[in-house]
Amino acid sequence: QKEVEQDPGPLSVPEGAIVSLNCTYSNSAFQYFMWYRQYSRKGPELLMYTYSSGNKEDGRFTAQVDKSSKYISLFIRDSQPSDSATYLCAMSARISNYQLIWGAGTKLIIKP
Amino acid sequence: GAGVSQSPSNKVTEKGKDVELRCDPISGHTALYWYRQRLGQGLEFLIYFQGNSAPDKSGLPSDRFSAERTGESVSTLTIQRTQQEDSAVYLCASSGAARDRGGTEAFFGQGTRLTVV
Repeated sequence: QKEVEQDPGPLSVPEGAIVSLNCTYSNSAFQYFMWYRQYSRKGPELLMYTYSSGNKEDGRFTAQVDKSSKYISLFIRDSQPSDSATYLCAMSARISNYQLIWGAGTKLIIKP
Repeated sequence: GAGVSQSPSNKVTEKGKDVELRCDPISGHTALYWYRQRLGQGLEFLIYFQGNSAPDKSGLPSDRFSAERTGESVSTLTIQRTQQEDSAVYLCASSGAARDRGGTEAFFGQGTRLTVV
């Protein structure tokens, strides 16, 4: 079993829909939770960062962390075709020297 | 430079040849990662350098792969006796001191696209 599980998709939704992307993990030591976005032929870029449990909102994006369930989510409101990309979750812990552990990435397609 | 720089951008090599890929991290970043990404696939962890700690080499797929880093500067990934299955994009990333948000924001280079023919 991988430390971080993420459905690779693809997930295809119409423009304007609310998108929900998720990751589950097994290591309760993880403290830092991130979402990265990767466009085709580019390196991933940080989208959202959350420390420990709770919600964080940035424009159309909301990140949620539920440490009790070992489950993190990224919500995208009013999705746009430009949101089409692969979304990767990543997490780290002090005890493992902050090494980033990645999900496989979910390919998201927003249809105009 | 302002970002992570990788060279070369593209490399075509013959099967059996050795290749060396270079990564210049952001100045002051203590952590450096190498990943391999095949077309349409996720990130495959190769190696992690963090400051003066012993590197985590657990992701290197075979003894043909090795990586070095001098202090907190340049890193090189060497693949010996390349095979066709080594064809992929090799991405390097660096991140700041662990105290900075747990070293969470990894900045990626543009990658080296390796093709073994």
